[in-house]
Amino acid sequence: AQTVTQSQPEMSVQEAETVTLSCTYDTSESDYYLFWYKQPPSRQMILVIRQEAYKQQNATENRFSVNFQKAAKSFSLKISDSQLGDAAMYFCAYRSAIITSYDKVIFGPGTSLSVIP
Amino acid sequence: NAGVTQTPKFQVLKTGQSMTLQCAQDMNHNSMYWYRQDPGMGLRLIYYSASEGTTDKGEVPNGYNVSRLNKREFSLRLESAAPSQTSVYFCASLQWDWTENGYTFGSGTRLTVV
Repeated sequence: AQTVTQSQPEMSVQEAETVTLSCTYDTSESDYYLFWYKQPPSRQMILVIRQEAYKQQNATENRFSVNFQKAAKSFSLKISDSQLGDAAMYFCAYRSAIITSYDKVIFGPGTSLSVIP
Repeated sequence: NAGVTQTPKFQVLKTGQSMTLQCAQDMNHNSMYWYRQDPGMGLRLIYYSASEGTTDKGEVPNGYNVSRLNKREFSLRLESAAPSQTSVYFCASLQWDWTENGYTFGSGTRLTVV
């Protein structure tokens, strides 16, 4: 079974600085998707960025980028020029690319990010 | 707006009471899911429905039942609520295709059992 680990329960960053959130996962599959979700105090789950395992190029979305290391099974999220609105819980997630009737997403425990003005 | 609609947003129950959380999606997704979120534990899967007419247990199904009423709707029922079921509940849907962007989530239900 696949597992997702986030070793940093809490992180903080100064406004306008850069922060990196860590994620590691365990799988025996070769093809899969990885995601970072953001959950602000409003509770809504928001997809931040996704990465397909067969793509070597790291995904980027504006100020958000990932460092995907497939061999190390590592998927870290870098937030550049941090803003107050980035304060949230961040979840790393995994989904197999093998489409079956048991298709579902597996989540890590989350990292709570605070942004200091 | 297309998405997942989840009701109610807040609920307080007394121990032993029953209730049903409703979820509907209008994106024609095949799969639907119910998760609970507790501090420090991330999101844990309660039940899921891979397609209309099918349901399966997730990690933490005890104390819950589900119904996939049709392709759009997937409800979660607590027959006899317990304080341990105090949590935030999320419904999500997913489409089976190679361009999938992950789950689409509802806005969550904060349930307190006293």
